[in-house]
Amino acid sequence: AQSVTQLGSHVSVSEGALVLLRCNYSSSVPPYLFWYVQYPNQGLQLLLKYTTGATLVKGINGFEAEFKKSETSFHLTKPSAHMSDAAEYFCAVSDLRGNEKLTFGTGTRLTIIP
Amino acid sequence: EPEVTQTPSHQVTQMGQEVILRCVPISNHLYFYWYRQILGQKVEFLVSFYNNEISEKSEIFDDQFSVERPDGSNFTLKIRSTKLEDSAMYFCASSGGTGGGEKLFFGSGTQLSVL
Repeated sequence: AQSVTQLGSHVSVSEGALVLLRCNYSSSVPPYLFWYVQYPNQGLQLLLKYTTGATLVKGINGFEAEFKKSETSFHLTKPSAHMSDAAEYFCAVSDLRGNEKLTFGTGTRLTIIP
Repeated sequence: EPEVTQTPSHQVTQMGQEVILRCVPISNHLYFYWYRQILGQKVEFLVSFYNNEISEKSEIFDDQFSVERPDGSNFTLKIRSTKLEDSAMYFCASSGGTGGGEKLFFGSGTQLSVL
């Protein structure tokens, strides 16, 4: 069975500061890993994904994440936070059997302090 | 860019009533999913659907739930007799089926409120 743990249900950073949202996963098979963002009253938008290949993946809006197998982590970072980054962020791991069932973490609400 | 469309965006119903949540997946996609998110909780998988049948379902997806692709374009989730605990945001998703979730697209959700 797969699982995802997101450390910190709420994270606050100052505008312009580094954003770091933590995600650790558990999977019995090589995982596909995802970060989704949910803005207020909106659906889930894919930020970035790791499937195979380069372990540092870049996504939209300046976000990136690094897959570290030895640490079973997939932390999301952005060098400089912007007010528009305020949202809920979900880490997810997929089932590789092809039916694309995602297991989500509990989410991290990011607040940007002006 | 193609998108998954869900209607309605908000649905209010009385406990015990039937509701149908509608989704129009991306046109050439073959795999369809429903997820839900109870307020303040994580997004949970409900069911996957391929080739006109359920391919997997979670323990949440009991006999009160059903899915259908009635006309080749829509994908619906029916809850036969709603309970208070069914109040949640329901997300539809579709995929071209490359596997692993890398081509999964989510709709913007239907907020279901059961009173």
